[in-house]
Amino acid sequence: ETGVTQSPTHLIKTRGQQVTLRCSSQSGHNTVSWYQQALGQGPQFIFQYYREEENGRGNFPPRFSGLQFPNYSSELNVNALELDDSALYLCASSQGLAGAKNIQYFGAGTRLSVL
Amino acid sequence: DQQVKQNSPSLSVQEGRISILNCDYTNSMFDYFLWYKKYPAEGPTFLISISSIKDKNEDGRFTVFLNKSAKHLSLHIVPSQPGDSAVYFCAAKILGSNYKLTFGKGTLLTVNP
Repeated sequence: ETGVTQSPTHLIKTRGQQVTLRCSSQSGHNTVSWYQQALGQGPQFIFQYYREEENGRGNFPPRFSGLQFPNYSSELNVNALELDDSALYLCASSQGLAGAKNIQYFGAGTRLSVL
Repeated sequence: DQQVKQNSPSLSVQEGRISILNCDYTNSMFDYFLWYKKYPAEGPTFLISISSIKDKNEDGRFTVFLNKSAKHLSLHIVPSQPGDSAVYFCAAKILGSNYKLTFGKGTLLTVNP
């Protein structure tokens, strides 16, 4: 059984650019959630995808968007990068419907630095 | 608005002793709580969870206690081991109507040999 994998591990961008982060779900999982963890903070929920559709969204602007593919892998896209977007971006996968007791399993994250 | 609060940024204990990590929450709608452990350069790893219908859940050296009236939960690690040194996150969710985990800021636990 493979775990959640994220790529790339580190990324440096400049303000105004666009970035795409990728996540492969744990085998058998059909739900993917994305979180942003700023320095010294806990992870903040961005959005969740279930069976290729957005299933919920946190307090993030529309320039944060995502996709989930038929194999349940996922992408997080951020347009018009701002300095405050610098953070660790975590992907978590789980099995089953949103709201259930299903445990979310996290990848190691992508460290994004915006200069 | 910090709905899940971990007021101790760090905690240091001796190997073999008990570690107690605390977490408070403000949203009374939360009905499921989890603890995650995070090592540097790794993602958070699920540790233990508890439903609001229970007041205690135990798994080996780890026990989580929930006091609903006080909106407080704690994680006990007995005995503490150096390998337990990590950042511990408390998280909460609303079953059945919500989808996200709301995390605290974390507590850095250091277990000294």
